[in-house]
Amino acid sequence: EPEVTQTPSHQVTQMGQEVILRCVPISNHLYFYWYRQILGQKVEFLVSFYNNEISEKSEIFDDQFSVERPDGSNFTLKIRSTKLEDSAMYFCASRAPGREVNQPQHFGDGTRLSIL
Amino acid sequence: GENVEQHPSTLSVQEGDSAVIKCTYSDSASNYFPWYKQELGKRPQLIIDIRSNVGEKKDQRIAVTLNKTAKHFSLHITETQPEDSAVYFCAASWRTGFQKLVFGTGTRLLVSP
Repeated sequence: EPEVTQTPSHQVTQMGQEVILRCVPISNHLYFYWYRQILGQKVEFLVSFYNNEISEKSEIFDDQFSVERPDGSNFTLKIRSTKLEDSAMYFCASRAPGREVNQPQHFGDGTRLSIL
Repeated sequence: GENVEQHPSTLSVQEGDSAVIKCTYSDSASNYFPWYKQELGKRPQLIIDIRSNVGEKKDQRIAVTLNKTAKHFSLHITETQPEDSAVYFCAASWRTGFQKLVFGTGTRLLVSP
């Protein structure tokens, strides 16, 4: 069964540094998402991406965050100047086409981001 | 804004018992309700979902029921096994827009042998 893959599995970064989290969505999927989960808390929506542009973003996704699909397979989340409170597990998800019918979202294994 | 409440936060059962987890949602336009199981340090895995045009869906030992009038939906696990122990998250989404998921706060299920 195809899977969403994420790299790295764990990223340790000094506060103020830039970090890029990488995701390879399932190949025929067209809708991409980033979520984050602070330790022990619920999963929170960050951003959705379709047709090479952001379609929706949450209030968490401020000017320090950006997403990009640099080629036909990768989907990245960049945090420009990390803060301690950015420490969390970041999940990438993707789903198949179908704007009128809800399609299941499939999650990657996540990247644990630790800001020191 | 959109909100999903989930109860209980923890649930302990004996192996073989049934477990029920309940969620309520705030936005009546919600029309898709998936349930995810998350084991420690792992990804959320979709275990079952239901759309608003049906009231119940079953898949072997798990079932989900939906009450649109009351805006709540529930996960039912029968004949629980120790490997069912995990955190379970409900979520809600909408047909319109780009279908982001709004998650509940999670239920830690512990099944004791």
